[in-house]
Amino acid sequence: AQKITQTQPGMFVQEKEAVTLDCTYDTSDPSYGLFWYKQPSSGEMIFLIYQGSYDQQNATEGRYSLNFQKARKSANLVISASQLGDSAMYFCAMRIKGGSEKLVFGKGTKLTVNP
Amino acid sequence: NAGVTQTPKFQVLKTGQSMTLQCAQDMNHNSMYWYRQDPGMGLRLIYYSASEGTTDKGEVPNGYNVSRLNKREFSLRLESAAPSQTSVYFCASSDWVRVYEQYFGPGTRLTVT
Repeated sequence: AQKITQTQPGMFVQEKEAVTLDCTYDTSDPSYGLFWYKQPSSGEMIFLIYQGSYDQQNATEGRYSLNFQKARKSANLVISASQLGDSAMYFCAMRIKGGSEKLVFGKGTKLTVNP
Repeated sequence: NAGVTQTPKFQVLKTGQSMTLQCAQDMNHNSMYWYRQDPGMGLRLIYYSASEGTTDKGEVPNGYNVSRLNKREFSLRLESAAPSQTSVYFCASSDWVRVYEQYFGPGTRLTVT
């Protein structure tokens, strides 16, 4: 069964430092997509970054990068130069291509950026 | 450009009551989704609609029905609400090209007593 695991319920980081949020996944489908969403305390879900299973390079979007290690089935989010506004819940998710559009989310990691 | 809008923002129901959550998007997206988010949990897919006229079950469809009224609107109905349906409900949409990039509505906080 497809599954996303985020083992860090909470993480703390100092402002301006980098932080890595862990995500591992389980699927037998060779074609899949992995993405990260941010949920601030206001509640909305904000798309951050996407990585396709066949993409050769790790995805980057500004201060966000996805450390994709296919053999380890991990898709960690790296946030560089943390800002106070980065404090939020972060969800890793996986989409299986082909067949039905079932999307699976992890339970999330709460990131707190300290000044 | 409002993006994805949801109504209502908050709702309290008694067990057994029914209600419909409304969702609309103005981005001309083909696919629309309904999720629920429970405390300490990620989002779980209830139903989705890959295109106008089609709907499919997600991970937790029991107790819900949906209608894709047109390309813009996708409603979620609770026929007989139960306390286990207390949750925050999110609607989302995406296009076929960047289907992984889902745009979410602000959510509806539903409490069933």
